Amino acid sequence: DGGITQSPKYLFRKEGQNVTLSCEQNLNHDAMYWYRQDPGQGLRLIYYSQIVNDFQKGDIAEGYSVSREKKESFPLTVTSAQKNPTAFYLCASRTATGSGNTIYFGEGSWLTVV
Amino acid sequence: GNSVTQMEGPVTLSEEAFLTINCTYTATGYPSLFWYVQYPGEGLQLLLKATKADDKGSNKGFEATYRKETTSFHLEKGSVQVSDSAVYFCALSDAGGTSYGKLTFGQGTILTVHP
Repeated sequence: DGGITQSPKYLFRKEGQNVTLSCEQNLNHDAMYWYRQDPGQGLRLIYYSQIVNDFQKGDIAEGYSVSREKKESFPLTVTSAQKNPTAFYLCASRTATGSGNTIYFGEGSWLTVV
Repeated sequence: GNSVTQMEGPVTLSEEAFLTINCTYTATGYPSLFWYVQYPGEGLQLLLKATKADDKGSNKGFEATYRKETTSFHLEKGSVQVSDSAVYFCALSDAGGTSYGKLTFGQGTILTVHP
């Protein structure tokens, strides 16, 4: 079945460590996104990418990095510079930049700092 | 910039009650509007959408009408069920300029339905 796969589902990070969250889609979508969700709050955009080898900062990019070497993959690295990384991270994708096209989401990854 | 404002929750209803969750937006141009639903510990699922003024989106008994004159997209359901308990997000997508069609979300409204 087509969809967006995020891994791992749960991840624990020690202080000072970088961690990478995986996002893979087999929907042949052009655009991919990373959102962060904090408890009781809405989603905030971290990074987004429209095409391979191109990506743009969202509203809260500091302390994060991404790459888009393949159309189907958009990994997110949470660096040690991110001071409060504990959150639920959601990857999403859509087929084109037309505003009416639906954005589809993965199941999310929980990151906890220990 | 774009913004979405949802009514504050949580909303608690009895089964078969009528549901309204208010959503208003601020955007330039002609955005598309969406309602997403999130069940505990899961990602977001599209519930319904509308891409132009006066369009009505509907799915699973939920519906919302794109009202440009009031910049609103209120979610309604005539008779809620316990299984509707979830967090509901209103969102807009503006393909204009350099926005890359990304979604701007409201803060979410928690709905709890009791038997």
